Amino acid sequence: GQNIDQPTEMTATEGAIVQINCTYQTSGFNGLFWYQQHAGEAPTFLSYNVLDGLEEKGRFSSFLSRSKGYSYLLLKELQMKDSASYLCAVRAPYQLIWGAGTKLIIKP
Amino acid sequence: SAVISQKPSRDICQRGTSLTIQCQVDSQVTMMFWYRQQPGQSLTLIATANQGSEATYESGFVIDKFPISRPNLTFSTLTVSNMSPEDSSIYLCSVDTSEGDTQYFGPGTRLTVL
Repeated sequence: GQNIDQPTEMTATEGAIVQINCTYQTSGFNGLFWYQQHAGEAPTFLSYNVLDGLEEKGRFSSFLSRSKGYSYLLLKELQMKDSASYLCAVRAPYQLIWGAGTKLIIKP
Repeated sequence: SAVISQKPSRDICQRGTSLTIQCQVDSQVTMMFWYRQQPGQSLTLIATANQGSEATYESGFVIDKFPISRPNLTFSTLTVSNMSPEDSSIYLCSVDTSEGDTQYFGPGTRLTVL
């Protein structure tokens, strides 16, 4: 079957670094996405990985290991506005399979 | 990138009625997707809408309950029929880029059924 796992909730301190993990087991793989979703708003695209390795985009980086079925989203220099849910999704092979999301709480 | 608008942004409806949600994209796209997101939950794909053909529904969703139209490459509608309180949710439309490396979302329609 199709399965994507993420921690339900994480807490971090403003200015710190946090890593949100995502593991997946899917039939087929055509890329992994990370989205940010603030409460009451639509998801917004953060990153896309299709090859192994690290993709860096400003304060956010995303890593993929296809052999391990594993990805993480790394957020640096955390700001209060980063408090949101972070959704991991795998394209398998054409539609997106979504994780349940990780609620990130930032404390001052 | 794609800019997507949805109407209405929110509505409160009575049990047994129907609501049609509109999704407009600022560019032509092949595939449009309709999702449901219930409170505190992740996204659930309802159906994929292709222009010129019937929508493809996911397990648990049927055309009689969620009829979809896709009259052209920039527009789609989703109707939630014979609503019950269990249909209270956020409904989102989204589109893929032509490269397939991003899926953009509309702002969502927040539906409450009394």
